[in-house]
Amino acid sequence: AQKITQTQPGMFVQEKEAVTLDCTYDTSDPSYGLFWYKQPSSGEMIFLIYQGSYDQQNATEGRYSLNFQKARKSANLVISASQLGDSAMYFCAMRGGYSSASKIIFGSGTRLSIRP
Amino acid sequence: EAGVVQSPRYKIIEKKQPVAFWCNPISGHNTLYWYRQNLGQGPELLIRYENEEAVDDSQLPKDRFSAERLKGVDSTLKIQPAELGDSAVYLCACDSGSNEQFFGPGTRLTVL
Repeated sequence: AQKITQTQPGMFVQEKEAVTLDCTYDTSDPSYGLFWYKQPSSGEMIFLIYQGSYDQQNATEGRYSLNFQKARKSANLVISASQLGDSAMYFCAMRGGYSSASKIIFGSGTRLSIRP
Repeated sequence: EAGVVQSPRYKIIEKKQPVAFWCNPISGHNTLYWYRQNLGQGPELLIRYENEEAVDDSQLPKDRFSAERLKGVDSTLKIQPAELGDSAVYLCACDSGSNEQFFGPGTRLTVL
């Protein structure tokens, strides 16, 4: 069975500081994909970044990077130079297999609050 | 391009009443998903469509929930009759076969 665990229900960070949001996963699939989504108070889920299990490099998208440690089954999200607009819920998610035919499961989320 | 459109955004009903949610995905996105998100939790898949075919409805409570995607474009999710525990946000999402799913703003359902 697949499982995503986010152990930080909430975090407070000072503006302009870097922040790491933790995510661990469990799967028996040899290939899988890992995602991070942002959900602001408006409710819409916004895709941030994707990491494939066979990707050699850690994924980066602007201020977002994914610290992928396959042996530890962790996929932490790092946000550099945090901004007030980064305050939101963040969800880690996983898809077993690479195709969209596989179901995505989500973690319980981390609420990030940026202090001015 | 226009994003995923959902309506209504909010719905308040009494238990045992029926309710329906509508989703218009991004044009050309053949895969459509309905998720339920309970308060303080991540989304959980209810049903996935490939064009007009429901290819994964294993998590859909079929005694009271139904869904359809006529012509492989718009989709409707229905609950009849609604129960108190159905209060949640219902999210529609779509993708074109890539890794990124595009989500709509959701419908917040409150069952009294």
